[in-house]
Amino acid sequence: KQEVTQIPAALSVPEGENLVLNCSFTDSAIYNLQWFRQDPGKGLTSLLLIQSSQREQTSGRLNASLDKSSGRSTLYIAASQPGDSATYLCAVRGNYQLIWGAGTKLIIKP
Amino acid sequence: EPEVTQTPSHQVTQMGQEVILRCVPISNHLYFYWYRQILGQKVEFLVSFYNNEISEKSEIFDDQFSVERPDGSNFTLKIRSTKLEDSAMYFCASSEVTDQETQYFGPGTRLLVL
Repeated sequence: KQEVTQIPAALSVPEGENLVLNCSFTDSAIYNLQWFRQDPGKGLTSLLLIQSSQREQTSGRLNASLDKSSGRSTLYIAASQPGDSATYLCAVRGNYQLIWGAGTKLIIKP
Repeated sequence: EPEVTQTPSHQVTQMGQEVILRCVPISNHLYFYWYRQILGQKVEFLVSFYNNEISEKSEIFDDQFSVERPDGSNFTLKIRSTKLEDSAMYFCASSEVTDQETQYFGPGTRLLVL
């Protein structure tokens, strides 16, 4: 059974820092991995989707990498801003539908 | 930019009552989904829907749950007899052509069962 883990559970950094969020999964037989952002009491915003055949995807200040064989993905946020404060979720698409991590709650201090 | 919408944003109901949660997926999308997130817990998949039938469903999606696309735009989730443990945020999502593409989520319906 696929398990998705995100470390750390929470992270607080000063504005301007580059940071890395981690996602690991137990079953490497995946179709894709998606990173989402969730603001308090709000919906889920898709940030990046990496297909299983890809190694990374970039969107603006965000870069996501995928190492399927080791069951890991990272989300790199460059030059963090207070507006980046949110919970970041990764979700893995395998034979079953999206299996989700518990998220990393990110706080960017001005 | 097209978006998924959901109504109502909040719903309070008594245990044992039926509730219907409504979603309008993005208009040219073919796959539709329901997920739920119990407060403080992970997001959980409930069901996917394609070509007017259920494509996949999880163990959570038992006989108390049903989905329907009553017309060309709405996608509904019905809970026949709500239980306290059904209290959660329910998210609808859609994807364009396949279920391996980016899924776009609505803002959610917060359901509270008393």
